[in-house]
Amino acid sequence: QVQLQESGPGLVKPSETLSLTCAVSGDSISGDKWWSWVRQPPGKGLEWVGEIYHGGSTNYNPSLKSRVTISVDKSKNQFSLRLSSVTAADTAVYYCARRNLCTTTSCYTSGLEYFQHWGQGTLVTVSS
Amino acid sequence: DIQMTQSPSSLSASVGDRVTITCRASHDISNYLAWFQQKPGKAPKSLIFGASSLQSGVPSKFSGSGSGTDFTLTISSLQPEDFATYYCQQYDSYPLTFGGGTKVDFK
Repeated sequence: QVQLQESGPGLVKPSETLSLTCAVSGDSISGDKWWSWVRQPPGKGLEWVGEIYHGGSTNYNPSLKSRVTISVDKSKNQFSLRLSSVTAADTAVYYCARRNLCTTTSCYTSGLEYFQHWGQGTLVTVSS
Repeated sequence: DIQMTQSPSSLSASVGDRVTITCRASHDISNYLAWFQQKPGKAPKSLIFGASSLQSGVPSKFSGSGSGTDFTLTISSLQPEDFATYYCQQYDSYPLTFGGGTKVDFK
């Protein structure tokens, strides 16, 4: 059973860097998967932050790209998010999630590259 | 970016009602659309992928349809555990984007 668990500080000061880690169990982070971060400000909708493949390839939301770094630690089977120069607008529940990376046409056309597994989420508040 | 527009943003329904939520994409996304259910304080839960395929373990009262730009999620007979917020999400192109959500509450 795949499980994802976020961890990190729940309070970050403005202008500082938010750092979170997602520990993966029940699956190898080295498989054909995209490992993602999605956030949700209190009372609002979902926003995709970015994702990483174990080989190091990344995709980021252009709205956050200049401030986001996602990295992977294969030895610990986990991946991490760093978001720099945070403001109150970055206050949100941050979820880590897994989606498939299709390597066959049938997988891709079946629409299997969706967010199949989610962590429980962790609230990060930006405040002095 | 592909904009995802859900309607309605909220609806009130009764147990046993048939509920339909629509999602419109600003560009053709083929069938690369997923639906999620989210309850307060919980992570989103995958319901539908590929616009119409049911995630394993999800009851068959949930169904999805559509292709291109127009999609629907239908709950055939609403039960108390189905009162939640529902999101659509496209994964045809980057950045991945979500609809604004549809809150289903008790009439």
